[in-house]
Amino acid sequence: DTEVTQTPKHLVMGMTNKKSLKCEQHMGHRAMYWYKQKAKKPPELMFVYSYEKLSINESVPSRFSPECPNSSLLNLHLHALQPEDSALYLCASSQLDLIARGEQYFGPGTRLTVT
Amino acid sequence: KQEVTQIPAALSVPEGENLVLNCSFTDSAIYNLQWFRQDPGKGLTSLLLIQSSQREQTSGRLNASLDKSSGRSTLYIAASQPGDSATYLCAVTSSGGSNYKLTFGKGTLLTVNP
Repeated sequence: DTEVTQTPKHLVMGMTNKKSLKCEQHMGHRAMYWYKQKAKKPPELMFVYSYEKLSINESVPSRFSPECPNSSLLNLHLHALQPEDSALYLCASSQLDLIARGEQYFGPGTRLTVT
Repeated sequence: KQEVTQIPAALSVPEGENLVLNCSFTDSAIYNLQWFRQDPGKGLTSLLLIQSSQREQTSGRLNASLDKSSGRSTLYIAASQPGDSATYLCAVTSSGGSNYKLTFGKGTLLTVNP
């Protein structure tokens, strides 16, 4: 199984709402990633978790709060977002061993619209 | 800082043509290079992964080459089909501490006309 799943597929939220995005993989990968992708742009790295610990935060605003409750799950908690945060949010996972050398597998994404 | 460039930005070809997409990167210290396909509004599908020690990888009608020393990769698509229409992204994996950071190019938008 080389699948990364993400829920929900679409999300519309107001600027005062609190919502969460969920990502799950059962490939035994110990690195998980959140990316943000605006239209007609490449994905931009937001966060990296390795062994369930946050290892990279690419200077993301605190209104985005990641969480990795176990090795299969990755959440992104959203609060007080701005309309410019509307984007496709992609989750990815990879192994961390030298043999696999970090090939990343991506989920289908969550299309977020902030109104 | 790693930078990845893809040429051309867009390409339109008739069905059946063979085509080449180009990718270049500025720092040759990479672990691997991945080619992805992305359909509009969808996630990324990994097409081919080339490790830094390899020269090429093949999957069906796709062939990707890597020249790490010159910082170049090409994706060759044989006998293109309308279903190949998508954005193709090249990404390199550079060491980011104990993690692997992907740096993406801006992509090539491919349209294959029937």
